[in-house]
Amino acid sequence: NAGVMQNPRHLVRRRGQEARLRCSPMKGHSHVYWYRQLPEEGLKFMVYLQKENIIDESGMPKERFSAEFPKEGPSILRIQQVVRGDSAAYFCASSPLDWSYNEQFFGPGTRLTVL
Amino acid sequence: GESVGLHLPTLSVQEGDNSIINCAYSNSASDYFIWYKQESGKGPQFIIDIRSNMDKRQGQRVTVLLNKTVKHLSLQIAATQPGDSAVYFCAETGYNAGNMLTFGGGTRLMVKP
Repeated sequence: NAGVMQNPRHLVRRRGQEARLRCSPMKGHSHVYWYRQLPEEGLKFMVYLQKENIIDESGMPKERFSAEFPKEGPSILRIQQVVRGDSAAYFCASSPLDWSYNEQFFGPGTRLTVL
Repeated sequence: GESVGLHLPTLSVQEGDNSIINCAYSNSASDYFIWYKQESGKGPQFIIDIRSNMDKRQGQRVTVLLNKTVKHLSLQIAATQPGDSAVYFCAETGYNAGNMLTFGGGTRLMVKP
């Protein structure tokens, strides 16, 4: 059973470009979470999605950031008009069930560098 | 706002010694706690979890202790090995938080051979 997959692993963008980060949850998992980690800091929650639904986006910046988890295909975290402050590691996690003390399994992350 | 925090940013131990990593949390509504290990360039890896109706839970070479009175969580690693070198995060959540994990700032564990 493959784990959570994220791609690309490394992404370099110039200021003003768009970044698209992909996450494929573990097989059988229908809940996806995105977290952002700045260097030498802990992970910060961004958004929680189920198939075709955004459940909680309280951690998402109000502008330029969006996320989706379509019926088919991976979850996408999209950052428009990137700025240097967006440089960070973005982690995706998945879980099989709704709130029931289930572990969230993390992917290897995408490291975004904005030049 | 409420957050999870750690006392020591860096912990250096001798190989074979026991390690103790501490974490303080402030959200009294949290009822599920997890320790994650993160190696350089990798995603967080689940180590052990504990629910609020317990005060101790043991795994293989690891033990998590929960003191709800003082809102304190600790991770004990027995016979620390070089492969244990990593950053360790505690995370908390609760029913009212949905499935959102709140992470502490992390403690870097360095194991000296």
